[in-house]
Amino acid sequence: KQEVTQIPAALSVPEGENLVLNCSFTDSAIYNLQWFRQDPGKGLTSLLLIQSSQREQTSGRLNASLDKSSGRSTLYIAASQPGDSATYLCAVLGMEYGNKLVFGAGTILRVKS
Amino acid sequence: NAGVTQTPKFRVLKTGQSMTLLCAQDMNHEYMYWYRQDPGMGLRLIHYSVGEGTTAKGEVPDGYNVSRLKKQNFLLGLESAAPSQTSVYFCASSYPGSVFTDTQYFGPGTRLTVL
Repeated sequence: KQEVTQIPAALSVPEGENLVLNCSFTDSAIYNLQWFRQDPGKGLTSLLLIQSSQREQTSGRLNASLDKSSGRSTLYIAASQPGDSATYLCAVLGMEYGNKLVFGAGTILRVKS
Repeated sequence: NAGVTQTPKFRVLKTGQSMTLLCAQDMNHEYMYWYRQDPGMGLRLIHYSVGEGTTAKGEVPDGYNVSRLKKQNFLLGLESAAPSQTSVYFCASSYPGSVFTDTQYFGPGTRLTVL
């Protein structure tokens, strides 16, 4: 059974810092890995999607990497801003349940101004 | 283009009451999903549908029923609510193109409290 773990559970940093969020998964038989952002009281917004054959994806100040063989992904946020404060969720798309997304519990990020 | 919408946004039930959560999407997506999110845990799949008239069980289906009578709507029912069903419920939809690029679009969630 696929399990996804995110470390750390919470992170507080001063504005301007570069930071790394970690995600690990137990079963490498995945189609893709996705990073989502969740704001309080809101739904999830897809940030980056890395296909299983890819190593990384970039969008603006965000860069996500994937090492499928070791079951790890990292989300790098450059020059963090208070507006980046949110919960970041990692999810892998596997073959169970008609292509099921398995989510980690998330990392709560607070960027202080 | 509203994306994925959910009704209601908040609801408080007493144990044993029933209710239906409505999800609607205007993106012509084939696949729809219901998840629940509990504190300290990731989202868990309750039920899903791969097309109009079809439904299937996910990871935590007990105590819930679903229906997909129209392509754009996916209903989640609680027949006899229990305190353990206190949670935030999210609906999502996706278009079954390539599984390698498949992503899901999420609604804003329904916060349900069962007393």
